[in-house]
Amino acid sequence: NAGVTQTPKFQVLKTGQSMTLQCAQDMNHNSMYWYRQDPGMGLRLIYYSASEGTTDKGEVPNGYNVSRLNKREFSLRLESAAPSQTSVYFCASRKDRGEQFFGPGTRLTVL
Amino acid sequence: GQQLNQSPQSMFIQEGEDVSMNCTSSSIFNTWLWYKQEPGEGPVLLIALYKAGELTSNGRLTAQFGITRKDSFLNISASIPSDVGIYFCAGRRGSQGNLIFGKGTKLSVKP
Repeated sequence: NAGVTQTPKFQVLKTGQSMTLQCAQDMNHNSMYWYRQDPGMGLRLIYYSASEGTTDKGEVPNGYNVSRLNKREFSLRLESAAPSQTSVYFCASRKDRGEQFFGPGTRLTVL
Repeated sequence: GQQLNQSPQSMFIQEGEDVSMNCTSSSIFNTWLWYKQEPGEGPVLLIALYKAGELTSNGRLTAQFGITRKDSFLNISASIPSDVGIYFCAGRRGSQGNLIFGKGTKLSVKP
């Protein structure tokens, strides 16, 4: 099992560009999550999906959209990137009544 | 958004020393978790606590769920260089609620 995989590992964007961060899990988990991690801020929830076909906003959803493509995949889209979105992005998944497993992260810089 | 108060922010210790860190909240949680994050990686679950007063060990790590349900503690005994990383606490209300993370304790171990 690969667990939770994320692509790309690194990305540099210019202000206003768009991009999609990909996440996939092979553990048959129902719930998936997107977090951002900024220095000294811990992990903050952007969006989550409790099951295939549903998505909900977390603590910091502004500037982002998500798609739960199928049970395995949950993508995060930045339509018009801003320097404030420079961060490390983590995807996580969780089975019912279990705990979250995290991917290795995507390091995004917006110039 | 609410975050947990985690302390200390950082620790510099000598190999072989014991380490203690804690997490407090103004709200009650039903689950407390402790994660470790190494440089360039995603957080990895160390210990999960589900009952007030519960004391759980994972090797040299021991964590406790505070009896007030508003705090949790993590102890590492006889630290070694590979203990280096950032330790995060996380709390959850209810079985399906989202996690709220502390800002992390950065541990440095001098050989």
